Amino acid sequence: AQSVAQPEDQVNVAEGNPLTVKCTYSVSGNPYLFWYVQYPNRGLQFLLKYITGDNLVKGSYGFEAEFNKSQTSFHLKKPSALVSDSALFFCAVRDFTSGTYKYIFGTGTRLKVLA
Amino acid sequence: ETGVTQSPTHLIKTRGQQVTLRCSSQSGHNTVSWYQQALGQGPQFIFQYYREEENGRGNFPPRFSGLQFPNYSSELNVNALELDDSALYLCASSLASGADTQYFGPGTRLTVL
Repeated sequence: AQSVAQPEDQVNVAEGNPLTVKCTYSVSGNPYLFWYVQYPNRGLQFLLKYITGDNLVKGSYGFEAEFNKSQTSFHLKKPSALVSDSALFFCAVRDFTSGTYKYIFGTGTRLKVLA
Repeated sequence: ETGVTQSPTHLIKTRGQQVTLRCSSQSGHNTVSWYQQALGQGPQFIFQYYREEENGRGNFPPRFSGLQFPNYSSELNVNALELDDSALYLCASSLASGADTQYFGPGTRLTVL
């Protein structure tokens, strides 16, 4: 079965510093990987996805993610954090079982950017 | 282009009651998926509707049921509510059942007392 793991419940970073939010995956076949962000009292907003091609994927709000097949990781990064980046981040993998495409989500990582 | 909308925003029910949550998919999208997000957890897949037919189901009991209408809007119905049903319910739409990106609505916060 497909799965993703987010090993950190919370990540704290100072404003202006680079940030990394970690995600590792376990899939059979080629993974379809996603990052979503959730602000308080809001739904999930799509940030970026990896399907195939370049291992460095650029997304919304200056975020990017690096796909690493040998380490089975898909870490989210941003060169310079903003206080407004503080939110809950979810990594997800697309799963196809019983004829249905659905997402399997990680447990989420709360990012706190300190002024 | 209109995004995914959900109603109501918040809802409070008591154990044993029934609830209906509604979702309007993004324009042009014919597939709707429903997820349950318990506090402090990632979203869990409930089921998916494609062109008015259920197209797959997660590990949820039959008291969770749904509908999709000809305009591709959707309802999630939960019967015999339990305390553990308290959660944020998210609807996501996509261009097709095989499309790789799902777009989420703001969710409905259900509290069961």
